[in-house]
Amino acid sequence: KNEVEQSPQNLTAQEGEFITINCSYSVGISALHWLQQHPGGGIVSLFMLSSGKKKHGRLIATINIQEKHSSLHITASHPRDSAVYICAVYKGGSEKLVFGKGTKLTVNP
Amino acid sequence: EAGVVQSPRYKIIEKKQPVAFWCNPISGHNTLYWYRQNLGQGPELLIRYENEEAVDDSQLPKDRFSAERLKGVDSTLKIQPAELGDSAVYLCASSRTSGGTYEQYFGPGTRLTVT
Repeated sequence: KNEVEQSPQNLTAQEGEFITINCSYSVGISALHWLQQHPGGGIVSLFMLSSGKKKHGRLIATINIQEKHSSLHITASHPRDSAVYICAVYKGGSEKLVFGKGTKLTVNP
Repeated sequence: EAGVVQSPRYKIIEKKQPVAFWCNPISGHNTLYWYRQNLGQGPELLIRYENEEAVDDSQLPKDRFSAERLKGVDSTLKIQPAELGDSAVYLCASSRTSGGTYEQYFGPGTRLTVT
């Protein structure tokens, strides 16, 4: 079983919809990354958080350390949000970043 | 501030040929990472450098892969000879220091296709 699990694997939405991507992990962590990867492109860091909630524009990330769960929300989704969203965690006590397999989001106009 | 620079962006080679990737990290970042990302998977760490020292190369297939980070700045990852299974995106990332949870910044990646 992977240490970082994301759901869903694939998600298709209509423009304007509210989107939620979930991430669960089974190890102790010191922080969690939400990353965005466009086709053919590199990886961009959206959020790094270790507790609570962060917001940037239409993106919101939350984390519940006790439940070992994080969510990434996108409000008023747009076709340009179409990308793969990756959850990654820093395992506690190490610099190692462990990645989920990603959630492929497609937002249709 | 310039981001992590990688070249080339795309490379197509025949199997058994050599290939090299180059990475220039963000200025001041002493830790550099090379990852391999297979289609539909998350990145997997190949090697991590702290300055010029490789501190974690346990996942690097040393029979055909090599890496160097001379002077602790830019880095080169080489495959010789390449195999069909090496087709993947090779990502470079850097962070200001290792230890704790200092944020990693990723480059655009090099997409390698081995035919």
